[in-house]
Amino acid sequence: QVQLVQSGAEVKKPGASVKVSCKASGYTFTSYDINWVRQATGQGLEWMGWMNPNSGNTGYAQKFQGRVTMTRNTSISTAYMELSSLRSEDTAVYYCARVKGRWFDPWGQGTLVTVSS
Amino acid sequence: DIVMTQTPLSLSVTPGQPASISCKSSQSLLHSDGKTYLYWYLQKPGQPPQLLIYEVSNRFSGVPDRFSGSGSGTDFTLKISRVEAEDVGVYYCMQSIQLPPTFGGGTKVEIK
Repeated sequence: QVQLVQSGAEVKKPGASVKVSCKASGYTFTSYDINWVRQATGQGLEWMGWMNPNSGNTGYAQKFQGRVTMTRNTSISTAYMELSSLRSEDTAVYYCARVKGRWFDPWGQGTLVTVSS
Repeated sequence: DIVMTQTPLSLSVTPGQPASISCKSSQSLLHSDGKTYLYWYLQKPGQPPQLLIYEVSNRFSGVPDRFSGSGSGTDFTLKISRVEAEDVGVYYCMQSIQLPPTFGGGTKVEIK
């Protein structure tokens, strides 16, 4: 079945960077965009950006421009999201999601990133 | 960015009773291709969101027929004809007519 499996929880200090991975299985990785969405505890959903795994093209939400980088390794069907200059407000669960049509399905299980000194 | 506004913030529903959630967008979600890019997701406790409805009124694969979506332009509604215990969670509407995709603030559904 189509599945996205993300890397485990991370604890980072302010100012550090974090890189979250998202491994795809059950479909051709290069055929569908991957998007990243984050959710602070008890809060709503915030879109961060998209990546085309075939071309490597990306697009980022203005809020994260200059701090986020989305990449991929097609040989292992894995997408990555790196967020730098972390601050406490970046503490959240980060989700990857495949785009089909213009909707997100499936979603990864989520990766909790905690930013704390 | 398109602002998505959901009401109510929360609902407490007796099993077997109906429920309705409203979602309003700050701009029309009707695209020139004729499609309306409005989606509904359910996030069950401790899980990622799951797609329920795509393009206003189409139930996604495996979604029970007690869920239905309607609306047009800027006003949309998700209805649950008979709420079941497994329907608890937070419901989100989302638009993807333009970047960035944006979500409503969510409606928490609880069982009485």
